[in-house]
Amino acid sequence: KQEVTQIPAALSVPEGENLVLNCSFTDSAIYNLQWFRQDPGKGLTSLLLIQSSQREQTSGRLNASLDKSSGRSTLYIAASQPGDSATYLCAVRLATSGTYKYIFGTGTRLKVLA
Amino acid sequence: ETGVTQTPRHLVMGMTNKKSLKCEQHLGHNAMYWYKQSAKKPLELMFVYSLEERVENNSVPSRFSPECPNSSHLFLHLHTLQPEDSALYLCASSQDLANEQFFGPGTRLTVL
Repeated sequence: KQEVTQIPAALSVPEGENLVLNCSFTDSAIYNLQWFRQDPGKGLTSLLLIQSSQREQTSGRLNASLDKSSGRSTLYIAASQPGDSATYLCAVRLATSGTYKYIFGTGTRLKVLA
Repeated sequence: ETGVTQTPRHLVMGMTNKKSLKCEQHLGHNAMYWYKQSAKKPLELMFVYSLEERVENNSVPSRFSPECPNSSHLFLHLHTLQPEDSALYLCASSQDLANEQFFGPGTRLTVL
């Protein structure tokens, strides 16, 4: 059974720091992995999608990497800003034929201090 | 704005009520999803539709009944819910089942 874990559960950093959020999954048979951010009481905003054949994706100050064999993905945020404060979620889509299951982690709650 | 809207944004209902949640996407996508987000638990996938056909039903109780009349609209019909069904219900869409998902703002449901 696929399990997705995000460590740490919460993180506070001063503005301007570079930081790394971690996502690990137990079954490497995934179709893709997606990173989201969620602001309190709101829906999810898609940040980056990495297909299983890719190693990384970049968008602005964000870089996500994927190592399927070790069951890990990292989200790197450069030069963090107070506006980056949110909960960051990763989700994997299982590669099981005939199924379209997405498994989410419990998230990392990030606070960037001004 | 992600192009996915949900109504109502907040809903309070008794256990004997019948209500419906509505989701509409303006992105021309072919796949739509319902998720449940409860406090302190990971997001749970409930239903997946592709080209108006249900392709995934994640062991959801029958008191939740989805409907997808066309590729732009998705409903979740609620009937005789329990207090533990109180949660944020999120709708998402994607171009197809292989692409990134775009989420709506959610409906905050409280069952009394």
